[in-house]
Amino acid sequence: LAKTTQPISMDSYEGQEVNITCSHNNIATNDYITWYQQFPSQGPRFIIQGYKTKVTNEVASLFIPADRKSSTLSLPRVSLSDTAVYYCLVGGGGGFKTIFGAGTRLFVKA
Amino acid sequence: DAGITQSPRHKVTETGTPVTLRCHQTENHRYMYWYRQDPGHGLRLIHYSYGVKDTDKGEVSDGYSVSRSKTEDFLLTLESATSSQTSVYFCAISVGLAGEYNEQFFGPGTRLTVL
Repeated sequence: LAKTTQPISMDSYEGQEVNITCSHNNIATNDYITWYQQFPSQGPRFIIQGYKTKVTNEVASLFIPADRKSSTLSLPRVSLSDTAVYYCLVGGGGGFKTIFGAGTRLFVKA
Repeated sequence: DAGITQSPRHKVTETGTPVTLRCHQTENHRYMYWYRQDPGHGLRLIHYSYGVKDTDKGEVSDGYSVSRSKTEDFLLTLESATSSQTSVYFCAISVGLAGEYNEQFFGPGTRLTVL
């Protein structure tokens, strides 16, 4: 299973763009990159998934360079409600093909 | 939330007692999972199921057993609870035909305290 490395925590201010980078040097050919968001006392919630290049949805963008050894989750114009823990997974969307690491705690300030 | 419920939502029990947690889904998805989450840690996979009566171990399966006799229910049993099993337990399902490669939807969690 591919291991991921993320910053432990990040701070931002409302209205700013936040980029969280995840390193996954031993990503396998069949592995996808998936990001989840978790608020206190709730289960994680799927944000975005990608395999290569760029993926964008209504919530975030995911940038994956050609070598796929890292990825960057981009949250445009964050608000206080984006304060949460963000997990980067490599492999499948969860389950036995992936490992949830400790995640990145994002604090958004007013 | 993909129709996932967990019961009970909170439970306090004593060391050595058996405990069963229930995960129920309403949409007949094939893959179901049990995770535990402890402070400062991400989620760790306990057991998973890929169909009725088809289950397998995850990363931290010691001390836990599971059963899936119906598509909609996935039960997690602690045969003899220990204080190290105090945790928040999340059930999840995979949605879509790609199984493990699809996104997961998580239940609300069960907070278990073993005294």
